[in-house]
Amino acid sequence: NAGVMQNPRHLVRRRGQEARLRCSPMKGHSHVYWYRQLPEEGLKFMVYLQKENIIDESGMPKERFSAEFPKEGPSILRIQQVVRGDSAAYFCASSPPLGGGAGDTQYFGPGTRLTVL
Amino acid sequence: GDSVTQMEGPVTLSEEAFLTINCTYTATGYPSLFWYVQYPGEGLQLLLKATKADDKGSNKGFEATYRKETTSFHLEKGSVQVSDSAVYFCALSASLTGANSKLTFGKGITLSVRP
Repeated sequence: NAGVMQNPRHLVRRRGQEARLRCSPMKGHSHVYWYRQLPEEGLKFMVYLQKENIIDESGMPKERFSAEFPKEGPSILRIQQVVRGDSAAYFCASSPPLGGGAGDTQYFGPGTRLTVL
Repeated sequence: GDSVTQMEGPVTLSEEAFLTINCTYTATGYPSLFWYVQYPGEGLQLLLKATKADDKGSNKGFEATYRKETTSFHLEKGSVQVSDSAVYFCALSASLTGANSKLTFGKGITLSVRP
């Protein structure tokens, strides 16, 4: 059973370009979470999605950032008009369907390291 | 809001030394508590978890006990190895409705173990 897949692992963009980060959850998982890790800091929650629905986007910046988890295909985190401050590691996690409440474990992918020049 | 506080790092120990990493939390309701470990260049791996008061999570020689009275979830290991060198994150998940919920992380602490 493959784990959470993220691609690309490394992404370099120039200021003003768009960044698209992809996440394929573990098989059977229908919940996806995105987190951002800035240098020397812990992970900060960005958004929580289920198939075709955004459940909690309280951690998403109001502008330039968007996320989706379509019925078919991976979840996408999209950053438009990137700035240097967007340089970070972006991690995706997935968890199984509702049933275990807050105790359900989130399984993390290897992350995408975004560098904005 | 929910928050997790970890002790300041980094921590450097000799092999076979005893390890304690402190973690305290603030949360509404009754959170589940987790320790995750991150090896260089990799994603986070779940190390252990506890879902209610007085539960003890354990894995690979690491232990942590959910202490509601002190709102703590300190990580311990009796004898560390060089391979334990990594960044350790304490986290909580708190849902008022019982639904799946986001994780709130501490800042993490870097552990280096010398041979």
